[in-house]
Amino acid sequence: GQNIDQPTEMTATEGAIVQINCTYQTSGFNGLFWYQQHAGEAPTFLSYNVLDGLEEKGRFSSFLSRSKGYSYLLLKELQMKDSASYLCAVEQDYGQNFVFGPGTRLSVLP
Amino acid sequence: KAGVTQTPRYLIKTRGQQVTLSCSPISGHRSVSWYQQTPGQGLQFLFEYFSETQRNKGNFPGRFSGRQFSNSRSEMNVSTLELGDSALYLCASSFGRDSMNTEAFFGQGTRLTVV
Repeated sequence: GQNIDQPTEMTATEGAIVQINCTYQTSGFNGLFWYQQHAGEAPTFLSYNVLDGLEEKGRFSSFLSRSKGYSYLLLKELQMKDSASYLCAVEQDYGQNFVFGPGTRLSVLP
Repeated sequence: KAGVTQTPRYLIKTRGQQVTLSCSPISGHRSVSWYQQTPGQGLQFLFEYFSETQRNKGNFPGRFSGRQFSNSRSEMNVSTLELGDSALYLCASSFGRDSMNTEAFFGQGTRLTVV
């Protein structure tokens, strides 16, 4: 079967660092994506990993271990505007055929 | 550049009716994917079109169909609407796998309410 797991909710303090984990079991794998979605808005692309290792993009970093079926999104220097849902998605095969995780709702507190 | 445009933004339909949703991708993008988002099920893949051909299809009944035109614009149709079809329908566009740029951009979505 296909399964992507993420924590449902996380809370962190402004200025802190938070790590959102994602584990997956899918029939295919062509890459792992992280998206940010604010309430009532469309998801926006954050990062893409297809090889093992860390991808860094400003305050956001994403890590992938294909052998472990594991990824994490690291957010540094948290800001209030980072309060949103973070979606882990696996592209299974050719053509944007994503399987999405349930999303992690992150609340950043002052 | 203009983003992904979905119309209409909001729609209310009655059970049994049919509905057509539209998605205009970013200029130059040839791949359009459709997703259904509900609080209980999250984001679920419906289908993906590339150069007017459906390349992938998710696990939805045949009441859900789509097509893509030569200008890459895509439409999604749901026939014989059921209450459970109430959801946010999102489309995403990208260059497609011909390109190394895999980033997909989502539209604002169409919120469909079936009463």
